Amino acid sequence: AQTVTQSQPEMSVQEAETVTLSCTYDTSESNYYLFWYKQPPSRQMILVIRQEAYKQQNATENRFSVNFQKAAKSFSLKISDSQLGDTAMYFCAFRNNDMRFGAGTRLTVKP
Amino acid sequence: GAVVSQHPSWVICKSGTSVKIECRSLDFQATTMFWYRQFPKQSLMLMATSNEGSKATYEQGVEKDKFLINHASLTLSTLTVTSAHPEDSSFYICSAPRTGAPNEQFFGPGTRLTVL
Repeated sequence: AQTVTQSQPEMSVQEAETVTLSCTYDTSESNYYLFWYKQPPSRQMILVIRQEAYKQQNATENRFSVNFQKAAKSFSLKISDSQLGDTAMYFCAFRNNDMRFGAGTRLTVKP
Repeated sequence: GAVVSQHPSWVICKSGTSVKIECRSLDFQATTMFWYRQFPKQSLMLMATSNEGSKATYEQGVEKDKFLINHASLTLSTLTVTSAHPEDSSFYICSAPRTGAPNEQFFGPGTRLTVL
């Protein structure tokens, strides 16, 4: 079974600074999808960014970008120009036949 | 974007009763839906995969007789917690990928279950 590991339970960053959240995964599959989700206190899961494993180019969405290293099975999320509204839990997810999540990283953006 | 709804958003029940949670894809068809459970300050744990027209697939350690799943149509899956006990109190989230688009998966807002 696929496993997803987020080794940073908590992180903090100053407003306007850049922060990187790490994620590694384990799989024997060659075709899969990777996601970063944000979960604010409302607990609604919000898609931040996604990456298809067959694409070599790293995905970007405005202030959010990923560093996808397929051989190393690494999928980190970089948040640039952090904003107070970025404060939330962030989950890395792996999707093949189903979707599984890492333990999450609680990010706090400080004013 | 696509919308997934859950009903109810919260429920309080007495120990020993059964509770049904509905998950609907409002503007797309979903042959598969996923049910997750999330305890406070923890991650989402996959409980089962709901398949339209066939039996659900349960994760190891999840009692299929306790958590009954029915995927009655291409837009509706239900999770029934039977003979609920306080330890079943949790946040239940359903998720549905758009059929044919595994890179598009949408989440319901969740249901908070409290068993007294």
